[in-house]
Amino acid sequence: EVQLVQSGSEMKKPGESLKISCKASGYYFATYWIGWVRQMPGKGLEWMGIIFPADSDTRYSPSFEGQVTISADKSINTAYLQWSSLKASDTALYYCARVFSGWTLGYWGQGTLVTVSS
Amino acid sequence: EIVLTQSPGTLSLSPGERATLSCRASQSVSSGYLAWYQQKPGQAPRLLIYGTSSRATGIPDRFSGSGSGTDFTLTISRLEPEDFAVYYCQQYGTSPYTFGQGTKLEIK
Repeated sequence: EVQLVQSGSEMKKPGESLKISCKASGYYFATYWIGWVRQMPGKGLEWMGIIFPADSDTRYSPSFEGQVTISADKSINTAYLQWSSLKASDTALYYCARVFSGWTLGYWGQGTLVTVSS
Repeated sequence: EIVLTQSPGTLSLSPGERATLSCRASQSVSSGYLAWYQQKPGQAPRLLIYGTSSRATGIPDRFSGSGSGTDFTLTISRLEPEDFAVYYCQQYGTSPYTFGQGTKLEIK
């Protein structure tokens, strides 16, 4: 059974750094793309980017390029999303998800809530 | 990037009725690479339809997708109580693989 388990909620101050994780199990991690999706409070889904763990090939939405870094460690079946300097506007629920067919996201983590407030 | 516009924003229907949700793209979606997701409060999204009309694993056949080019439709033939949720379309033919803003399907 494919499972994606994300790290817990985070409360941070503006300017702080953060790295959240998504641990995969139930399939061969390296050979499936994993994406990240943002959902701001009360809002819709935003596609942030996607990574292929086997070679770390990464694609970003222009809206998020330079704002976040997506990475993966295939030795521990884990993908990451990180910020070097958080802003209040980064407050959101972040989902990781594995591709199903093409670039569709068929397996989702439970989400990580990130709250950035002074 | 391709902008997806969903309509209506909110759809109020009763169980047993038919629901028709629309998704319009700002440019043609490559190879019909259009998907639909369902999201219930407090839950992660769930993939319903991919490739315009193929149902994902375990999705009931009351859900169907159609369309081509820039206009796509998700139809729920007879609404069950568990179908009331927010629905998103996504195009995955051209990066970035954008989502629509969502349609909320609520009980009338």
